[in-house]
Amino acid sequence: GAGVSQTPSNKVTEKGKYVELRCDPISGHTALYWYRQSLGQGPEFLIYFQGTGAADDSGLPNDRFFAVRPEGSVSTLKIQRTERGDSAVYLCASSSGLAGGQETQYFGPGTRLLVL
Amino acid sequence: QKEVEQNSGPLSVPEGAIASLNCTYSDRVSQSFFWYRQYSGKSPELIMSIYSNGDKEDGRFTAQLNKASQYVSLLIRDSQPSDSATYLCASATGSARQLTFGSGTQLTVLP
Repeated sequence: GAGVSQTPSNKVTEKGKYVELRCDPISGHTALYWYRQSLGQGPEFLIYFQGTGAADDSGLPNDRFFAVRPEGSVSTLKIQRTERGDSAVYLCASSSGLAGGQETQYFGPGTRLLVL
Repeated sequence: QKEVEQNSGPLSVPEGAIASLNCTYSDRVSQSFFWYRQYSGKSPELIMSIYSNGDKEDGRFTAQLNKASQYVSLLIRDSQPSDSATYLCASATGSARQLTFGSGTQLTVLP
């Protein structure tokens, strides 16, 4: 079946603008995660959804970042007043939601965000 | 302070050799450990997961976990040029689902 998909694959924006990044998880997966990966670093956790609710948003760096998953499937990561330091690859992952910390997380191809 | 530490490399091995990748973690409540492979410009792909002390083998890959030493390793036997990638070590604690990643080790297998 289809894997995790993310759109757009690349996004170039200007400092101060608003951006939305979309993630479509594997069908049937109730858990969805957002990570951010800077060059030469491992992915850094941002937020985790179980169903429609944000179960853990402790990784969001500040209140410019917000994410929603209104119907428990597709999720949108929203970044207000973008800054050059927000430039990174934003990765979405999903898992079955059934096995806690032992679940395999499947990653999407990522959205490469560049803030000029 | 980074909770998962990896030698960033780069690590180079000749084709057919054993590649050894190491990882240490600081959070004693970490219970689950994962090795992901990431090709340049691509997303991470799970190679191995390990939850109990000891060794776990899957084809050419062996993961080793020592919770007392807070140490995880990945051995790749009969290394192939197609194994050249960055290998990311990650941990998860109990029911918490978020993964904490190391910075990755870049592996190059020379033909």
